[in-house]
Amino acid sequence: AQKITQTQPGMFVQEKEAVTLDCTYDTSDQSYGLFWYKQPSSGEMIFLIYQGSYDEQNATEGRYSLNFQKARKSANLVISASQLGDSAMYFCAMRDYTGNQFYFGTGTSLTVIP
Amino acid sequence: DAGVIQSPRHEVTEMGQEVTLRCKPISGHDYLFWYRQTMMRGLELLIYFNNNVPIDDSGMPEDRFSAKMPNASFSTLKIQPSEPRDSAVYFCASIDRAMNTEAFFGQGTRLTVV
Repeated sequence: AQKITQTQPGMFVQEKEAVTLDCTYDTSDQSYGLFWYKQPSSGEMIFLIYQGSYDEQNATEGRYSLNFQKARKSANLVISASQLGDSAMYFCAMRDYTGNQFYFGTGTSLTVIP
Repeated sequence: DAGVIQSPRHEVTEMGQEVTLRCKPISGHDYLFWYRQTMMRGLELLIYFNNNVPIDDSGMPEDRFSAKMPNASFSTLKIQPSEPRDSAVYFCASIDRAMNTEAFFGQGTRLTVV
């Protein structure tokens, strides 16, 4: 069964605007972690932000914030003030703290338009 | 620490040849993951190890694929014989189970089988 679902294969955003990338997850565990990675065209996987399942506050890292809605099992990434360098693939991932597996979504390709 | 180190960065080989991909995880990390990334299938987990022991190899596509972790600082993914459909980017990642942190990825090996 799909653990992580990213329903937006591609997104466009105007430079300086905010954009939300959707992610829903499926788990029956109480303890888990949610992550977002960026993969630019150069190919490396860059960690952006982390949210623990017990964290009450939404995680923020600079221009990145994670909109965590536990009851809905969603962990959307919000990028504020988009920059041209934000154009990349973005992957949502979940870490299962029982088996310590990482599950990745299929990714969203973000293009920032000047 | 230098991070997760993979070698080679690029590999071009002829169909039928044996290919060995290498990975050095971050020192002290006790989990190691091998992923394959293609346009068609996204990021797939092939196998992962805990303390050098394979835990789940259900993602290994065929018997042509094998992975070993002879010690805590080295793992290999071998394909024998290689086929054109094995062409992909292969990532290695590692984590420290005691830390609720992200998976740390290597730079990946881009494999092309002609």
